[in-house]
Amino acid sequence: GAGVSQSPSNKVTEKGKDVELRCDPISGHTALYWYRQSLGQGLEFLIYFQGNSAPDKSGLPSDRFSAERTGGSVSTLTIQRTQQEDSAVYLCASSPPRANTEAFFGQGTRLTVV
Amino acid sequence: DAKTTQPNSMESNEEEPVHLPCNHSTISGTDYIHWYRQLPSQGPEYVIHGLTSNVNNRMASLAIAEDRKSSTLILHRATLRDAAVYYCILRDTGNQFYFGTGTSLTVIP
Repeated sequence: GAGVSQSPSNKVTEKGKDVELRCDPISGHTALYWYRQSLGQGLEFLIYFQGNSAPDKSGLPSDRFSAERTGGSVSTLTIQRTQQEDSAVYLCASSPPRANTEAFFGQGTRLTVV
Repeated sequence: DAKTTQPNSMESNEEEPVHLPCNHSTISGTDYIHWYRQLPSQGPEYVIHGLTSNVNNRMASLAIAEDRKSSTLILHRATLRDAAVYYCILRDTGNQFYFGTGTSLTVIP
């Protein structure tokens, strides 16, 4: 596709359930980022993948959160035992590895935990 | 962890220029200054970036202070469609980048 694709666009889940959020980056982009945005707030960094390097997981808020990136392309963010405070929009971005390049964002997945 | 400081909000009249400031006093020599904006209910979109020299593109201009500790995003003629949250970000190769709280721009008709 032409841009970063995230699925699902909306997800409602019951407290305590596990959820998986998917991000399809732009082909050839080796850098992939996940962010979380709570209502009315700024973007909170979660995790960063760069090529075959170990991911930077420093932004993950708890061990209930994990992410993987298979084959250097698609990424999945998993939240186990969801809590109401996990409700937010989860945004994915991809870019070439260089700092002087544009990062492209998906439209996000709106997660609601009830 | 955000390395930039921006005013929380600004207002501008339609069709007037807007200057959005950003302070980044701890910038390193390899950090690029990026600006993104986020329209309501959308993901952020790229606006402009620069390293040392001022930059112009079809959307905006970026003025970078000589010591690189601050920068200003300039929208030459604000339109209602420019109402958004504008984020100033420092980005270094091989590293993640952090968003601050941004500046919420209101454009008054």
